[in-house]
Amino acid sequence: LAKTTQPISMDSYEGQEVNITCSHNNIATNDYITWYQQFPSQGPRFIIQGYKTKVTNEVASLFIPADRKSSTLSLPRVSLSDTAVYYCLVGDGDYNQGGKLIFGQGTELSVKP
Amino acid sequence: NAGVTQTPKFRVLKTGQSMTLLCAQDMNHEYMYWYRQDPGMGLRLIHYSVGEGTTAKGEVPDGYNVSRLKKQNFLLGLESAAPSQTSVYFCASSGGFGDGNEQFFGPGTRLTVL
Repeated sequence: LAKTTQPISMDSYEGQEVNITCSHNNIATNDYITWYQQFPSQGPRFIIQGYKTKVTNEVASLFIPADRKSSTLSLPRVSLSDTAVYYCLVGDGDYNQGGKLIFGQGTELSVKP
Repeated sequence: NAGVTQTPKFRVLKTGQSMTLLCAQDMNHEYMYWYRQDPGMGLRLIHYSVGEGTTAKGEVPDGYNVSRLKKQNFLLGLESAAPSQTSVYFCASSGGFGDGNEQFFGPGTRLTVL
């Protein structure tokens, strides 16, 4: 079973707020939620990580409800340069607990002028 | 700091040829990974290492071998290349296991097998 589920693609316009939701129904107690961004012809880049409630940095915000079965990456006022693929990962960072690395297909965000 | 570097950036092979991709990191990370990415698909884990001298299979290990003789280097080998191995290969490293810790990725190697 896949650990996470995301929409395949999303469209937006410059200046809008974009929210990308990831479902992780089987999240475990010790799991963190991590989001990456990948531009064409580049390796993925870490955006944000959280465990519960809300996390904010200079790039994005991450909202996690109390049951932690989903999370939402929020990009404020997107620009054309935010066009990329966004991946969410779930895990506890402990190899000894049988951790697995599954990126999935990600969400392809297209920002239009 | 260079971060994670990959050599070569591009390569074209004929079916049956062999080659080795080199990944190097200067962050003293214990964990290193090799992924492949095919058009329209996400990253799939080939092999990974949890420390110098260790290797483990990922999701798609068949046709590849790896070695981690030095902590800073992780080598991916193709003994007999096949067209199905045409892909972009990314190496990554992290301080803790990558499903819960930030991974740092290299720029990728674009491999074509004819």
